[in-house]
Amino acid sequence: EPEVTQTPSHQVTQMGQEVILRCVPISNHLYFYWYRQILGQKVEFLVSFYNNEISEKSEIFDDQFSVERPDGSNFTLKIRSTKLEDSAMYFCASTRTANYGYTFGSGTRLTVV
Amino acid sequence: GESVGLHLPTLSVQEGDNSIINCAYSNSASDYFIWYKQESGKGPQFIIDIRSNMDKRQGQRVTVLLNKTVKHLSLQIAATQPGDSAVYFCAENYGGSQGNLIFGKGTKLSVKP
Repeated sequence: EPEVTQTPSHQVTQMGQEVILRCVPISNHLYFYWYRQILGQKVEFLVSFYNNEISEKSEIFDDQFSVERPDGSNFTLKIRSTKLEDSAMYFCASTRTANYGYTFGSGTRLTVV
Repeated sequence: GESVGLHLPTLSVQEGDNSIINCAYSNSASDYFIWYKQESGKGPQFIIDIRSNMDKRQGQRVTVLLNKTVKHLSLQIAATQPGDSAVYFCAENYGGSQGNLIFGKGTKLSVKP
């Protein structure tokens, strides 16, 4: 069964440093998403991406965040200057159509120290 | 300091019994709903979905019921097994969005052997 792959599984970074979280969505999917889950809390939407541009973003997705699809397979989330409160699990998801069949990756646990 | 997290409702059932997990969704315009299972340290795993033009959908050992009048969704798991132990989230998507999901708080299901 096709999978969404995320790397690394765990990233520890110092406050103020930049991090890039990587995702390889399912190959024939067209819509890509980043979500995050702070420990013990709900999964929260960050951003959706379609046709090489951001289609929707939440209040969490401020100027410190950016996304990119640098080639035909990768989808990245960059946090420019990490804060302690950015510590969370970050999940990438992809779908073939906008509201059907979301598949999530296993996540990257980001720890900011 | 004290950490503020989400106190999850917990459902404890005996192996072999049926489980019913409930969810109240927020937006009356939502037209697509998904149940996800999340095991510790992993990403949300798709279980079953339903569109707003239906009130019931069945899968293998699982049934989702949708009551649009009271904005309520339930997941029924037949013959619950120890491997079903996880946190279960409902998620909604409303037309007009670019497919971002709004997740519910989650219910922790514990299955006693």
